[in-house]
Amino acid sequence: GQNIDQPTEMTATEGAIVQINCTYQTSGFNGLFWYQQHAGEAPTFLSYNVLDGLEEKGRFSSFLSRSKGYSYLLLKELQMKDSASYLCAAMDSNYQLIWGAGTKLIIKP
Amino acid sequence: IAGITQAPTSQILAAGRRMTLRCTQDMRHNAMYWYRQDLGLGLRLIHYSNTAGTTGKGEVPDGYSVSRANTDDFPLTLASAVPSQTSVYFCASSDSAGLTGELFFGEGSRLTVL
Repeated sequence: GQNIDQPTEMTATEGAIVQINCTYQTSGFNGLFWYQQHAGEAPTFLSYNVLDGLEEKGRFSSFLSRSKGYSYLLLKELQMKDSASYLCAAMDSNYQLIWGAGTKLIIKP
Repeated sequence: IAGITQAPTSQILAAGRRMTLRCTQDMRHNAMYWYRQDLGLGLRLIHYSNTAGTTGKGEVPDGYSVSRANTDDFPLTLASAVPSQTSVYFCASSDSAGLTGELFFGEGSRLTVL
């Protein structure tokens, strides 16, 4: 079956760095996505990886290892506004997105 | 402002009633999707449409129907609501059916079925 695993909740300190991990098992693979979702709001796109390696975009970076079925989202210089859920989603061979349940990130001052 | 508009924002509905959630986008995206989001679960695809005039079933289509008469509108209908359909429903669109994958979401419709 197809499956996405990510931690349910993480806590970090303002100004610090946090890494949110995601492992996936899909029928075929056409890329790995990260979305941010603030409480009560819609998910918004953060990143897309289809090749192995690190993609950096400002304070956020996303890494992919296709051979390990593994990705992580790295958030640097954490700000209070980064408190949100982070959704990992893998695209299968039919171009359908398989979503993880999300990681709730709590930022403390 | 371009984007996706969903209505209603929230609704309380008696079991057995018919309900249509509306979704309109003005980005001229070909593909549109309906997801439900429940606590502790990932987003689950209900129905999708790759282009106007076509629709397809997602992971959890039972009890729901959709239509895609034109590019902009993609309504979701619950023919006879049941309590298990209590959820937050998100409509989304993308500019190509799956090839880029970036989805643009509406603000969601919170539905409670009693």
